[in-house]
Amino acid sequence: DAGVIQSPRHEVTEMGQEVTLRCKPISGHDYLFWYRQTMMRGLELLIYFNNNVPIDDSGMPEDRFSAKMPNASFSTLKIQPSEPRDSAVYFCASSFRTRRGTGELFFGEGSRLTVL
Amino acid sequence: GNSVTQMEGPVTLSEEAFLTINCTYTATGYPSLFWYVQYPGEGLQLLLKATKADDKGSNKGFEATYRKETTSFHLEKGSVQVSDSAVYFCALSSGGSNYKLTFGKGTLLTVNP
Repeated sequence: DAGVIQSPRHEVTEMGQEVTLRCKPISGHDYLFWYRQTMMRGLELLIYFNNNVPIDDSGMPEDRFSAKMPNASFSTLKIQPSEPRDSAVYFCASSFRTRRGTGELFFGEGSRLTVL
Repeated sequence: GNSVTQMEGPVTLSEEAFLTINCTYTATGYPSLFWYVQYPGEGLQLLLKATKADDKGSNKGFEATYRKETTSFHLEKGSVQVSDSAVYFCALSSGGSNYKLTFGKGTLLTVNP
């Protein structure tokens, strides 16, 4: 079975440009998460969706960041305009509800973003 | 709020050595606890988990016991291999139907032959 698929794997852009990261969750999963990983701050939850609806976006750094999930098989994380401090690895993860409510997260391989 | 503190790395061991990576947590209620592993260039994957006090999670020779009295979930392995070299993350969930995981900062383990 295919896992969580993210694209692009690597993105190098210049400050001020728009960046769009994409994620395809595992089929049948009803939760989708966007995380950011940096050396300084570790893994930070940016936003998560349940059944395509944003549930908690309190981790989104500022208005330059936005995320959408138009359907159960696709999500985007957009940064506009991008800044050098946005350089990080962005992970998408998906999960499904279990009887005990503590499902395992399945992570994609990440999108490494470098903003010059 | 919830938080996870794990020992800072990097940790460097020789093959067949004993491994302990400490993890303590602060949480409201009764969280579930997890260890995730990240191999170079890959995403995180679940290594083991425990959902209630005194539970022991185990997988691939790794073990961790949920200790409510010390709010700890230390990762152990009796004999590490070179292939265990990775970053290990301790994490907790808020419990119930809340899937929001809080991660520690990760511990880099390097195992030398």
